[in-house]
Amino acid sequence: GENVEQHPSTLSVQEGDSAVIKCTYSDSASNYFPWYKQELGKRPQLIIDIRSNVGEKKDQRIAVTLNKTAKHFSLHITETQPEDSAVYFCAASIIQGAQKLVFGQGTRLTINP
Amino acid sequence: DGGITQSPKYLFRKEGQNVTLSCEQNLNHDAMYWYRQDPGQGLRLIYYSQIVNDFQKGDIAEGYSVSREKKESFPLTVTSAQKNPTAFYLCASSTLIGRGLAYNEQFFGPGTRLTVL
Repeated sequence: GENVEQHPSTLSVQEGDSAVIKCTYSDSASNYFPWYKQELGKRPQLIIDIRSNVGEKKDQRIAVTLNKTAKHFSLHITETQPEDSAVYFCAASIIQGAQKLVFGQGTRLTINP
Repeated sequence: DGGITQSPKYLFRKEGQNVTLSCEQNLNHDAMYWYRQDPGQGLRLIYYSQIVNDFQKGDIAEGYSVSREKKESFPLTVTSAQKNPTAFYLCASSTLIGRGLAYNEQFFGPGTRLTVL
């Protein structure tokens, strides 16, 4: 089955700098890669996703890149702000009816003022 | 924050007891999911359902049971067979691919924190 590895487990950056979180997956059949943000004590919320027919997707300060050959994808946050502090999860799945997501272990991102 | 709700927010269980966690959604989603979240770990899939009266095991189904008698509801029972049930439980729902929709986001409920005393 699918296995997703996420690094780093913790990341601390200065406000205004960029943050990068990386994930690798094992199943070459996976074709959907969402990123979720979870603030303390709250539910995960989708912030961006990418499908395997696209190499890069951007939404304001957030971007995701996908390298299908190497089976890894990354989240890039530019111009970080204090409200970006949260735990971020990557996931991978094969889209077949229902969506069986396999999640990475999470990255705790802290933005220092 | 409507859409998908879970109750209760906190639940305490004595060893040997079964408990049932509620999950309801009014998004008209066909698919529903249950995940378990432990500290420092990602979410792990317990069970999922694509249609009423049908459900499939996820990666960690042992010690859990579910039912899907209504489209809106997907309750999870944590049985006494689950050896380490203390965790944060998240329910989610989504549309199904094949309904003419390109977007298949999973929407999560607020979660239930279960503690075994």
